[in-house]
Amino acid sequence: GQQVMQIPQYQHVQEGEDFTTYCNSSTTLSNIQWYKQRPGGHPVFLIQLVKSGEVKKQKRLTFQFGEAKKNSSLHITATQTTDVGTYFCAGMPVRGSARQLTFGSGTQLTVLP
Amino acid sequence: DVKVTQSSRYLVKRTGEKVFLECVQDMDHENMFWYRQDPGLGLRLIYFSYDVKMKEKGDIPEGYSVSREKKERFSLILESASTNQTSMYLCASSPNVPGGSSDEQYFGPGTRLTVT
Repeated sequence: GQQVMQIPQYQHVQEGEDFTTYCNSSTTLSNIQWYKQRPGGHPVFLIQLVKSGEVKKQKRLTFQFGEAKKNSSLHITATQTTDVGTYFCAGMPVRGSARQLTFGSGTQLTVLP
Repeated sequence: DVKVTQSSRYLVKRTGEKVFLECVQDMDHENMFWYRQDPGLGLRLIYFSYDVKMKEKGDIPEGYSVSREKKERFSLILESASTNQTSMYLCASSPNVPGGSSDEQYFGPGTRLTVT
């Protein structure tokens, strides 16, 4: 079945440093989504990327979808303590059951003040 | 405001017990999902449903069953709980948007189940 690999598993940064998490799928994706889970919370949708090579920005967050639609990245510029949490990518396959997502294992971000 | 609720935040059950986890969404969404979340493994899909009385197996359905008798409610059943089913269980829902322009899933707060 489809697999979605996400690295790194953990990342500690000083406040103000940049952060990037990477996601790779074993199969071509219809779209990829990113979620954030705060400590003790539940995953919350951030964004969906659909087009090959797509780049979207949300303030300090930049999301990219690879040309082959098999990989993606999330980059945070100048991290803040409010960025703490676990970031998950989730891929939707081109084929297979509609609306079914496969989640990566997540990157847990710690921001040191 | 979008809302997905789960029947319990914390649950402690004994090995062999039958366990029911309930999820309700008030957004009239067609799709509903059950995941379990374990450290280092991310979210793994157990079952999902795209319509009332319809269900499909996810990646790890063994030891679980589901029920969807009403559109807003999706239940996860552990027929005979085992210690390896100790986990965080998350319910989610999503709409069927024409053209698939947004497949965003909305999550409930989760149920932390401990089986002793």
